[in-house]
Amino acid sequence: GQSLEQPSEVTAVEGAIVQINCTYQTSGFYGLSWYQQHDGGAPTFLSYNGLDGLEETGRFSSFLSRSDSYGYLLLQELQMKDSASYFCAVRDNNDMRFGAGTRLTVKP
Amino acid sequence: DGGITQSPKYLFRKEGQNVTLSCEQNLNHDAMYWYRQDPGQGLRLIYYSQIVNDFQKGDIAEGYSVSREKKESFPLTVTSAQKNPTAFYLCASSISSGTVSYEQYFGPGTRLTVT
Repeated sequence: GQSLEQPSEVTAVEGAIVQINCTYQTSGFYGLSWYQQHDGGAPTFLSYNGLDGLEETGRFSSFLSRSDSYGYLLLQELQMKDSASYFCAVRDNNDMRFGAGTRLTVKP
Repeated sequence: DGGITQSPKYLFRKEGQNVTLSCEQNLNHDAMYWYRQDPGQGLRLIYYSQIVNDFQKGDIAEGYSVSREKKESFPLTVTSAQKNPTAFYLCASSISSGTVSYEQYFGPGTRLTVT
């Protein structure tokens, strides 16, 4: 079957670092994306990995290992506004498959 | 301001009625998408269109229909054949890359409730 697995919830404190993992099993693979969604809002694109390795964009970094079918999103210097749901998504042939999302709660 | 608009934000319908959700974009994007999101779940692709007058089914197209007569507009009709239509519907757009794009821009969504 096809699946994307990510933790359902993560809690961290302001200023900390948190890593959200994503493992996938899909029939095709053309890259791993990450999206952020605040409650009731629209998802916004954060990052994309088409090749193995680390991509850094400010406080956020994303990593991909295609041989392990695994990736993660790393959030540094957490801020209260980072409290949101984070989705990994795989571009799979002619489809885009999303994980169920990880709800991140940042506490003071 | 460039962006994607969806209207209305909340929509209520009786079971057995068809309903059309609006999606308009002024980003000059060729590709547009419709997703469905259920509570605690990720997004699931319903339909997408890479170019005017052409569209493809996504993972869960049954019970839905779309049209793409203009580049800016990609309305979604939820038909009475859709067994569980109550959901949050999100429209997105992207530059065309020949296939589904990894970087999509989303509208604010329409929350449809069917009773």
